[in-house]
Amino acid sequence: EVQLVESGGGLVQPGGSLRLSCAASGFILSDHYMDWVRQAPGKGLEWVGRTRDKGNSYTTQYAASVKGRFTISRDDSKNSLYLQMNSLKTEDTAVYYCARTSVGQNPFNSWGQGTLVTVSS
Amino acid sequence: DIQMTQSPSTLSASVGDRVTITCRASQSISSWLAWYQQKPGKAPKLLIYKASSLEGGVPSRFSGSGSGTEFTLTISSLQPDDFATYYCQQYNSYSLTFGGGTKVEIK
Repeated sequence: EVQLVESGGGLVQPGGSLRLSCAASGFILSDHYMDWVRQAPGKGLEWVGRTRDKGNSYTTQYAASVKGRFTISRDDSKNSLYLQMNSLKTEDTAVYYCARTSVGQNPFNSWGQGTLVTVSS
Repeated sequence: DIQMTQSPSTLSASVGDRVTITCRASQSISSWLAWYQQKPGKAPKLLIYKASSLEGGVPSRFSGSGSGTEFTLTISSLQPDDFATYYCQQYNSYSLTFGGGTKVEIK
């Protein structure tokens, strides 16, 4: 069974940093794209970024709203995905989901339960 | 970025009703469109991919259609478990983008 479990969320001040983790099980992480998607309280879904699979050299892609501030990485040996968030803004407050995508043009086919990040002074 | 516009934003319906949700893309996305269902406090769940393909385990009362810039999600006979928010998403090009969501409420 595919499982994705996020952790690392919490309260952080504007300008601060936070690192989220996503523990994956039930599938071979290196064979899949992995994404982060966020949802501000009471709002819709926003794609944050992607890391491609090993076959595509783990290249990354980011939304304009986070480019230069957020970095996605992965450690396939630990079956883990990460989101390093720097220079956080109040508008980054959201539930952050990790999601699995099959290689190529495909939708998000599995999601974690999410972790809440609150950016506030 | 490709803008995705869903309508309506809220829909009130009764059990047994046929429900249709529309999603429009600001430019052609071929058939690279997915639909998700989200319940309060839960992660989204994939229902439909490539505009009209049903994800495994999803009831056959859900169907999708369309291509290019106009797409629809239809629930043929609304069930109590279907009251939720539905999102479309394009995966034709980056940035990947979602529609604003359609909340299906009990009438």
